[in-house]
Amino acid sequence: QVQLVQSGAEVKRPGASVRVSCEAPGFNRNYIHWIRRAPGQGLEWMGIINPTGDTTNYAQQFQGRVTVTRDKYTNTVYMELTSLRTEDTAMYYCATNVSPANWYFDLWGRGTLVTVSS
Amino acid sequence: EIVLTQSPVTLSVSPGERATLSCTASQSISDNLAWYQQRPGQPPRLLIYGASSRATDIPARFSGSGSGTDFTLTISGLQSEDFGTYYCQQYKEWPPWTFGQGTKVEIK
Repeated sequence: QVQLVQSGAEVKRPGASVRVSCEAPGFNRNYIHWIRRAPGQGLEWMGIINPTGDTTNYAQQFQGRVTVTRDKYTNTVYMELTSLRTEDTAMYYCATNVSPANWYFDLWGRGTLVTVSS
Repeated sequence: EIVLTQSPVTLSVSPGERATLSCTASQSISDNLAWYQQRPGQPPRLLIYGASSRATDIPARFSGSGSGTDFTLTISGLQSEDFGTYYCQQYKEWPPWTFGQGTKVEIK
């Protein structure tokens, strides 16, 4: 079954960092995005990594705090968010555009809940 | 950055009725618009791309229209599984990819 498999829920203290993984078997030629949804909020695009893992782009509001990396040997993409704040409590999704020519998201992971609380 | 504004914020609809959701872009995006459905506890699901093309396995009661700056998602004959939050997303100019703030469709 075609899917993106994400790591499990995390609970972190303010100021800590979190790393969320997304296994993407069969999608080594695809761009992978990270998108989050905070409670009571809408979907928010965070960043993207290219198929070879050497180019990334991040939303301005996350610049300096987010890093997306890719392990081509395990077909796994990682999203690390540092200096966590309570407002970073959210469901984090990885997603991709199955066809490289189409820039909408037709395959999503099930999400990873990150809770930031003291 | 292209801003998408959705209306209404909440829509109360009885089962079997029609729901009409709107999405307005801050500048022309041609037909580079997608719609997603998100039910509680689930990831978003692609419904519509290219403003009016249904994604794989999406029922015909979902239809999209519009071009330029004004777009509409229509759900004809609302069913119980259709309740949830709907988002529009533009892919005309990126990064960043941007979403509307969502419309929650609830049972009347």
